Amino acid sequence: EIVLTQSPGTLSLSPGERATVSCRASQSVRSNYLAWYQQKPGQAPRLLIHGASSKATGIPDRFSGSGSGTDFTLTISRLEPEDFAVYYCQQYGTSPRTFGQGTKVEVK
Amino acid sequence: QVQLVQSGAEVKKPGASVKVSCKASGYSFTDYYIHWFRQAPGQRLEWVGWIYPNSGGTNYGQKFQGRVTLTRDTSITTAYMELSRLTSDDTAFYYCARGAPAGRSEGNDPWGQGTLVTVSS
Repeated sequence: EIVLTQSPGTLSLSPGERATVSCRASQSVRSNYLAWYQQKPGQAPRLLIHGASSKATGIPDRFSGSGSGTDFTLTISRLEPEDFAVYYCQQYGTSPRTFGQGTKVEVK
Repeated sequence: QVQLVQSGAEVKKPGASVKVSCKASGYSFTDYYIHWFRQAPGQRLEWVGWIYPNSGGTNYGQKFQGRVTLTRDTSITTAYMELSRLTSDDTAFYYCARGAPAGRSEGNDPWGQGTLVTVSS
């Protein structure tokens, strides 16, 4: 199965700053079928990005995704208070679907 | 709006089985895959399997083969996950999530609110 490794594990930033989360795959992700999710405590994951760079419905413009092959990035251009959460990447190009271990974006 | 609502928390003894339901609304239930995932404490999200409600076809993660059964009742737009021979390692939140329509590949959206399954003697 494809192993996804996220970095960093924790990102300590202030509101208004830029957040960058990386996701590296152990092998190429078919058709760049890579998604990003946000999860807050006590809640289910919420889809932010699919197809590596397409925003899901209702997701603010400050969220963007990029990358291809084995290296992908989630960028939050200016952190809002509600953006402090855990972020996961997921590949869905090859069964089984697999996830990264998560990156916590916390208030500095 | 598109919504998935899961059944409530369960406490089971080792060796027992658990059945979690996932009620779908706001879209054509038979046209989209339903995936199941779990998230154990401190662990990454893990894919359990999917069901295609139109045909009832299923696909299970290798780790769960022989222990998990996904079913659906189209008359009440509800999907079910049953996991048998429970051990303490199965203690986790279990989520259902909508997948893509047939012939497409997409991320999972939306997700149910999650069902906590606790396995304890």
